Amino acid sequence: SYELTQPPSVSVSPGQTARITCSGDALANQYTYWYQQKTGQAPVLVIYKNSERPSGIPERFSGSSSGTTVTLTISGVQAEDEADYFCQSSDSSSSNYFFGTGTKVTVL
Amino acid sequence: EVQLVESGGNLVQPGGSLRLSCAASGFTFGNYWMHWVRQVPGKGLVWVSRIDSGGSSTAYADSVKGRFTMSRDNAKNTLYLQMNSLRVEDTATYYCARDPGAGLDPWGQGTLVTVSS
Repeated sequence: SYELTQPPSVSVSPGQTARITCSGDALANQYTYWYQQKTGQAPVLVIYKNSERPSGIPERFSGSSSGTTVTLTISGVQAEDEADYFCQSSDSSSSNYFFGTGTKVTVL
Repeated sequence: EVQLVESGGNLVQPGGSLRLSCAASGFTFGNYWMHWVRQVPGKGLVWVSRIDSGGSSTAYADSVKGRFTMSRDNAKNTLYLQMNSLRVEDTATYYCARDPGAGLDPWGQGTLVTVSS
């Protein structure tokens, strides 16, 4: 089966850097996307195609990829960044899409 | 402004049916693939299905294949999800989302489906 594994939680102090990983065998050959979901709200795309940032997303959000692991980095974390973050990719053979297990970012 | 508004969520008994709708505005609906994604309250996101821009190609998660049917009416700028043989485990908030080929963006606010006797 297609699995994308994320750490359940990451805690960071304001102004520090948060790094969230997403691991899966298929990520070596497929783009990964990242979504931010604040409590009670719909998800919002924050990174597309591994490392591109949509317009309107702050520069402190960045993405990188290495082999079967992709990383979302939030530099200079702010209180408003406290949210759940999900990675997403797709399976080229089945045309299906998959989400990671999700990571809750807590700003201390 | 690009906007997606879901509707149709409700309480339904196991084995029942429900049709969700997603009304699109602010963009040329017929140019985009669309998706449905669901989320059990407090849990993670689960991809459900997608449809191509013309409505001729669909794909479904294994958990809903054969029970759910995704369709669209480009003249009405509306996306649909017909859900049959509903199970308790289908209980979730259902989101529609646009696919511009660079991630799912934006998402609607979601509609809650509760399957319970």
